[in-house]
Amino acid sequence: QSALTQPPAASGSPGQSVTISCTGSSSDVGGYNLVSWYQHHPGKAPKLIIFEVTKRPSGVPDRFSGSKSGNTASLTVSGLQADDEADYYCCSCTGSHNHVVFGGGTRLTVL
Amino acid sequence: EGQLVESGGGLVQPGGSLRLSCVDSGLTFRNYWMSWVRQAPGKGLEWVANIKEDGSQKYYVDSVTGRFTISRDNTKNSLYLQMNSLRAEDTAVYYCARYQLAFDYWGQGTLVTVSS
Repeated sequence: QSALTQPPAASGSPGQSVTISCTGSSSDVGGYNLVSWYQHHPGKAPKLIIFEVTKRPSGVPDRFSGSKSGNTASLTVSGLQADDEADYYCCSCTGSHNHVVFGGGTRLTVL
Repeated sequence: EGQLVESGGGLVQPGGSLRLSCVDSGLTFRNYWMSWVRQAPGKGLEWVANIKEDGSQKYYVDSVTGRFTISRDNTKNSLYLQMNSLRAEDTAVYYCARYQLAFDYWGQGTLVTVSS
């Protein structure tokens, strides 16, 4: 159950777009369309922003979008805003389908 | 939708035990898989365990298998995590979360510190 690989940090200026990658294997990211993404402001509960690779829960702005190619999933945040500064985690079901693995997290800084 | 509230965290010595609880104030607790997820200080999120709606299936991350037990009481809208043989590396904030192939509702977390 190895963690998915994310870059530790990403940054962008207000209004710009930034993309965060999440690399796994054919046993997790590549094997299931069950990648989800979470926004986590320190001290608060994590928040689901993308599920099933591309879907957004109600209330999540369309500035957040997800995609997947092979064993790598991506989260794109467009029109960066100050409040987007947070830690972002990807997540996937794994080989047994009922096990779950997270990425190591990416700290997004809005310059 | 309801609110998830964890309790039971605290300071415990290595080798000790602790039982975490999570109460769902909503009305649909019995209809969903539930999970525990933790975050060690300065580290990322780590999935710990899942339990099916009726408690008949349970899954654990390898590092806690044989030491932790997830359970639920649908009559009390409650989720539990019994943690035995605790180690320093179990120190973390523990979150309960609703699981529908993604974690769509989370509690605020409860801190567990394993230290002598």
